[in-house]
Amino acid sequence: GDSVTQMEGPVTLSEEACLTINCTYTATGYPSLFWYVQYPGEGLQLLLKATKADDKGSNKGFEATYRKETTSFHLEKGSVQVSDSAVYFCALSGSGNTGKLIFGQGTTLQVKP
Amino acid sequence: SQTIHQWPATLVQPVGSPLSLECTVEGTSNPNLYWYRQAAGRGLQLLFYSVGIGQISSEVPQNLSASRPQDRQFILSSKKLLLSDSGFYLCAWSAGRQNTEAFFGQGTRLTVV
Repeated sequence: GDSVTQMEGPVTLSEEACLTINCTYTATGYPSLFWYVQYPGEGLQLLLKATKADDKGSNKGFEATYRKETTSFHLEKGSVQVSDSAVYFCALSGSGNTGKLIFGQGTTLQVKP
Repeated sequence: SQTIHQWPATLVQPVGSPLSLECTVEGTSNPNLYWYRQAAGRGLQLLFYSVGIGQISSEVPQNLSASRPQDRQFILSSKKLLLSDSGFYLCAWSAGRQNTEAFFGQGTRLTVV
């Protein structure tokens, strides 16, 4: 079945460091790919998305490119801030019209001043 | 614009007591609705989804049930809570089209004691 695998966390970085969180997927068909962010004690917020191969999603300085050849959707940011500390989830859309999302296990990012 | 409301934000319940969590969506009609659970330090597990009034699909066997009495209302219930039901419960909605994103509520932190 469809699945999403994220790199293990936690990831600890100093402010202004570069960030990469790896995400790979297994899917039949042509899913859309998403990154969600969860701040402490809150629900998930959509960070960015890509709907087809080679699409680049971007938001708030974060980027991710839909790589069909490597089945990857890695999240990147050139300079992280303390306020980026959160849990990041990679997800793909399931098949059919149910709108179900399949999530990775989440990666905790801690940015230190 | 669309909004999703979920309550209560936190709940502490004794083992064996009943549960009712409610979720409502505003600003859209005929949404797909979802209940996810997030166990401590883990990813999201889809519990139930609904594509219409009275239509409920269960993803995993468990001690919980869901109902959709109105188009934009989704309820998660249990007759007798177990310790293992503790977790962070998230309601979400999507437009129901293939490959579309989901939007999440703020979540309910349930602790069964």
